[in-house]
Amino acid sequence: QSALTQPASVSGSPGQSITISCTGTSTDIGVYNFVSWYQQHPGKAPKLMIYDVSNRPSGVSTRFSGSKSGNTASLTISGLQAEDEADYYCSSFTSDITEVFGGGTKLTVL
Amino acid sequence: QVHLQESGPGLVKPSETLSLTCTVSGGSVSSDNFYWSWMRQPPGKGLEWIGYIYYSGSTNYNPSLKSRVTISLDTSKSQVSLKLSSVTAADTAVYYCAREKRWSYALDIWGQGTMVTVSS
Repeated sequence: QSALTQPASVSGSPGQSITISCTGTSTDIGVYNFVSWYQQHPGKAPKLMIYDVSNRPSGVSTRFSGSKSGNTASLTISGLQAEDEADYYCSSFTSDITEVFGGGTKLTVL
Repeated sequence: QVHLQESGPGLVKPSETLSLTCTVSGGSVSSDNFYWSWMRQPPGKGLEWIGYIYYSGSTNYNPSLKSRVTISLDTSKSQVSLKLSSVTAADTAVYYCAREKRWSYALDIWGQGTMVTVSS
């Protein structure tokens, strides 16, 4: 059960859009649409931002969107705001009937 | 509003068993729509899925921890428990419990987390 692969860091200026990738395999992201994304501010618990690849929970800004192509899922944040600066984690269900997280991506708003 | 709160010792000695409890309020742990899950996060590192339990008592664990982990459910107290045996310094982490949507495997409500240090 290897961790999903995310870039260690991404950055963008306020108002811009950024995309964070999450690469898995044909035994997780490639075969299941059970991909979620979490936002974690320092010292806080993670918060669900996207589930089932592209669904937003109630209360999550429409600036957050998710997609998937093959073995790679992506989180896009449009209209970057200072409050978006945080760590972001992807997760997926796997064919082993387990779950796996990505290593996390630190988003810096310049 | 569903709320989850972890509790337990903040310091555990090497080779001993780590025991944590997650108390659920504002909702039922007996719902068939959710799993009750545990995750952990070592200082400065990423999240790791530990496992979950369903209201029926069925469980599913991370293979890398399976031999040492037990998750149980006390519906009368609305509590989910985690036991991790034979701990080492590598088990030092913030431990989180969370509610997991059964049909999405998405962790939609999290506890605040509790820091556990393994040290003599």
